[in-house]
This record gives sequence, structure tokens and C-alpha cells, in this order.
Amino acid sequence: DGGITQSPKYLFRKEGQNVTLSCEQNLNHDAMYWYRQDPGQGLRLIYYSQIVNDFQKGDIAEGYSVSREKKESFPLTVTSAQKNPTAFYLCASMENTEAFFGQGTRLTVV
Amino acid sequence: KQEVTQIPAALSVPEGENLVLNCSFTDSAIYNLQWFRQDPGKGLTSLLLIQSSQREQTSGRLNASLDKSSGRSTLYIAASQPGDSATYLCAADAGGTSYGKLTFGQGTILTVHP
Repeated sequence: DGGITQSPKYLFRKEGQNVTLSCEQNLNHDAMYWYRQDPGQGLRLIYYSQIVNDFQKGDIAEGYSVSREKKESFPLTVTSAQKNPTAFYLCASMENTEAFFGQGTRLTVV
Repeated sequence: KQEVTQIPAALSVPEGENLVLNCSFTDSAIYNLQWFRQDPGKGLTSLLLIQSSQREQTSGRLNASLDKSSGRSTLYIAASQPGDSATYLCAADAGGTSYGKLTFGQGTILTVHP
């Protein structure tokens, strides 16, 4: 089945630790996106990539980093510089202006 | 900067009722508007996509309309069912150099009770 796979579903991070969230798609889409969702707030864009080996900062990029070495993969690293990382993270890809989302990763700082 | 607002924040209706969810946006120069459904703890499922040149889209019991001049979109759900209970989100795509960068509303939490 074609789709977007995010892993892990749940992730726990200790203070000062970097963690990487995986996002893989087999839809052959060029554009991929990372959003953060907090309770009571809409989704906010962290980073996006419209083509392999290129990516751009979104509205809340501080404390995050990404790479886009392959069309299928767009991993997100939450660094120790992100002071409030506890949130639900959603990866998306886009084709013909329609966005498709993964099932999300819930990150909790312990 | 585009801002998207959804009203109401929460809605509870009996099964079988027709209902309307509202989405407003501040910048009418949008490329398209997309409606999503989100179940608790899950990702987003695309429901309807309306291009800026279109006025409405329909899928089954769902109908979404777009009025760019007034900065509004509505999602109409006919004959609601308990399985429709979820959070509904709208998102505007500004297009151009911002292509694909969606601005989301905060969502409407819908509960349909038997």
C-alpha cells in the first residue's frame, strides 16, 4: 500500500538529548513537510523540502534539523536546543497540491 | 501573514442531524483550501480539496464550499453518524513561493451521539 510511514509512534527524550524522527514515503512525491501539533493549537510548519538535497525552514525551525538525501526519506532531528519539544509531530508529502499525512510521532521529554 | 480560524471550537449533535463547520482566512489570495479529519492520536486524513478556481467539492455526505472574496469556507456534513466524531481541520495553501506551506485552523471537535 502506498503511504507515509512515521516511526516510532511514541518517543521519549531525556533532557539534553538529540532524537531523530523517521518519515518514509513510497508515493513518489517530491515535496515533504514536517509539522508540530500542540494541544489547542493548529499545526505549525517546522521544515519542508520540495526536492532532494534541498530544504527550507518553516515558521518554527529553531531547535530542529532535517536532511533530504533520498526522495523517500525526510528525517527530523529534535536537538537539545529545542526547549519545549513535547508535542505530536506529523510528516506530510504533497502531490498536485493535495497533502497526505503520516500517523504521527508523539514525543515526550522525561 | 495568513491566519485561519475555525468556528465553533467544539460541536455536539444527535445522530442524523445535518451540520456546518466554518473556516475563515484573512488573506483571500489562496491557492487552495483543504479539509482534513483527525481521529484522536492519529494523523490527518484528507477529506476535500478545493482549488481557488472552484466554488465547491463533494464527496459522499460531505460538501465543502469556498468563497475567496469573503475569506470563508464551509464543510457541510449531511445525516451525521457517530463514526463522524473526530476533529476537523481546514488549511489554506498560499501557493506561489509558499506552495505547499499550509496554514491550519485550530480545528472543530465534532461529537455525534447516538
